[in-house]
Amino acid sequence: DAGITQSPRHKVTETGTPVTLRCHQTENHRYMYWYRQDPGHGLRLIHYSYGVKDTDKGEVSDGYSVSRSKTEDFLLTLESATSSQTSVYFCATTWDGSYTFGSGTRLTVV
Amino acid sequence: AQKVTQAQTEISVVEKEDVTLDCVYETRDTTYYLFWYKQPPSGELVFLIRRNSFDEQNEISGRYSWNFQKSTSSFNFTITASQVVDSAVYFCALSGPTGANSKLTFGKGITLSVRP
Repeated sequence: DAGITQSPRHKVTETGTPVTLRCHQTENHRYMYWYRQDPGHGLRLIHYSYGVKDTDKGEVSDGYSVSRSKTEDFLLTLESATSSQTSVYFCATTWDGSYTFGSGTRLTVV
Repeated sequence: AQKVTQAQTEISVVEKEDVTLDCVYETRDTTYYLFWYKQPPSGELVFLIRRNSFDEQNEISGRYSWNFQKSTSSFNFTITASQVVDSAVYFCALSGPTGANSKLTFGKGITLSVRP
């Protein structure tokens, strides 16, 4: 188990406010990912990182930014939250092709 | 680009029935990995299996079995003698070779309900 912790686990926020979700891993894995899960869509990749300060966009990156200043932390920021960003967010890591997922963050934008 | 299709969206069976969950994938990579994950009502993602593209042997683990066929680009999952605890959403997923292209692409999931 890669020891992935997501925080917060639940959050309710208002439209237009900034929100940052945190993913913390303890295994020094190089690759980290942010996914969102929505009914009827499965999990879709938002952004991913292949090293400190090295990030790239996934298929649903609009409205999101990420930062990775340390190997262990991968932050996902919604600059101005919208109702369409209400979702469950999962962080994941991999180093040998096996993926480990965090427990998820349920975000509600009202 | 990678794509995973799970054409079935919801399946309902009675306990002890066998059920097969279908997965069809598309990729241009010659080396790739296929996965199945289970998501119970509690919400966490539970890893079930990873299969690499060079290993077409079928896999059996207890009541679970997987049929990988490169000729049809399919990686189907069968639960034998289903139980109520098998009720969950099941995702098939695909990744390229390890390295910078190592991104996991998911299907939309299949909701399995097993009735007593």
